[in-house]
Amino acid sequence: SQQGEEDPQALSIQEGENATMNCSYKTSINNLQWYRQNSGRGLVHLILIRSNEREKHSGRLRVTLDTSKKSSSLLITASRAADTASYFCATDAQAGKSTFGDGTTLTVKP
Amino acid sequence: EPEVTQTPSHQVTQMGQEVILRCVPISNHLYFYWYRQILGQKVEFLVSFYNNEISEKSEIFDDQFSVERPDGSNFTLKIRSTKLEDSAMYFCASSRRQGAYGYTFGSGTRLTVV
Repeated sequence: SQQGEEDPQALSIQEGENATMNCSYKTSINNLQWYRQNSGRGLVHLILIRSNEREKHSGRLRVTLDTSKKSSSLLITASRAADTASYFCATDAQAGKSTFGDGTTLTVKP
Repeated sequence: EPEVTQTPSHQVTQMGQEVILRCVPISNHLYFYWYRQILGQKVEFLVSFYNNEISEKSEIFDDQFSVERPDGSNFTLKIRSTKLEDSAMYFCASSRRQGAYGYTFGSGTRLTVV
């Protein structure tokens, strides 16, 4: 597997439910970022978690990082239809050179 | 909220032609990057730029590619002789400090080579 792999590849939930996406990576990292991308649009930076942090919150987002397992999770609580997008993790093993995963496509049904 | 601005949003070019993709990073950012995303594939790092020189580049960033900061505000990516496989979304990004706070990405330029 490659650096920054997300699972599941696709996730479909009802509005109001929570969505959890996972990311695994292979090498040591300085930080890990999560991005959202609406279809055909740019990347929106959601949250960055440093290698010495274990959990971070931002609004309805909760990110965890387990460096011993080389994995991270993104939880979106109380999802909304507007959360429908692709979500990517990106790791910085080398500052300035982020390695992106394949992404999870989230569909939130109204 | 400050933004990274990219122009044009969509460019169609003939194979073999030169293209210049333009970016205006956030004004107090010092580090600049180009990434690309071929349709349906991962976002891939191309190059990072600091203090008027390339600090890191990937295998993709061969002699056909060059970057420039021609003035205090613009950051450009030039592809000298485009190939069909250069068709992709190209994203510019900038950061105030390298790797510390994440990166701000532009909306991208969709390059179509025909």
